[in-house]
Amino acid sequence: EPEVTQTPSHQVTQMGQEVILRCVPISNHLYFYWYRQILGQKVEFLVSFYNNEISEKSEIFDDQFSVERPDGSNFTLKIRSTKLEDSAMYFCASSWGAVGGETQYFGPGTRLLVL
Amino acid sequence: AQTVTQSQPEMSVQEAETVTLSCTYDTSESDYYLFWYKQPPSRQMILVIRQEAYKQQNATENRFSVNFQKAAKSFSLKISDSQLGDAAMYFCAYSIQVEYNFNKFYFGSGTKLNVKP
Repeated sequence: EPEVTQTPSHQVTQMGQEVILRCVPISNHLYFYWYRQILGQKVEFLVSFYNNEISEKSEIFDDQFSVERPDGSNFTLKIRSTKLEDSAMYFCASSWGAVGGETQYFGPGTRLLVL
Repeated sequence: AQTVTQSQPEMSVQEAETVTLSCTYDTSESDYYLFWYKQPPSRQMILVIRQEAYKQQNATENRFSVNFQKAAKSFSLKISDSQLGDAAMYFCAYSIQVEYNFNKFYFGSGTKLNVKP
């Protein structure tokens, strides 16, 4: 069964550094998402991406964040200048459609630790 | 406010027994969908079961079933005949369609289920 994959599984970085988290969504999916989960807290929506542009973003997704689909398979989340509070698990997800009830398929996550 | 609450951070069940994970949510929407996802350690979050809010009948999927109480905004997951492979983090979520091209998910903080042999 097709799966969403994410790399790396863990990343440690210094505050102020740039990080790029990578995702390969399911191949025939059209909608892509990033979520994050700070330890012990809820999974929070960051951004959705469709047709090569952001379709929706949360208030968390500020100018430090950007997303890109550089080719036909990868979907990346870039954090330009990491802060301590960016430490979290980041999940990528994809779906075929965006109608009500459409299931989103999630990757295993990247655990980011900012020191 | 759209919120999902999972009040049990961690639970344990003996193999072959039944366990119920609780979830409550708050929404003013009338059309929404409810989900339970399972995340084994270091693995993908996978869909366990899905419920349309307009359906009164509770969804079932093999050993997994839900108790959907719409008026109470409650959506609990029952796992029957628990197996060691059921050990995972379980996330409750609901989704609403915000725009034609955006279906927003709201998640709870998760319940870690331990299964004892």
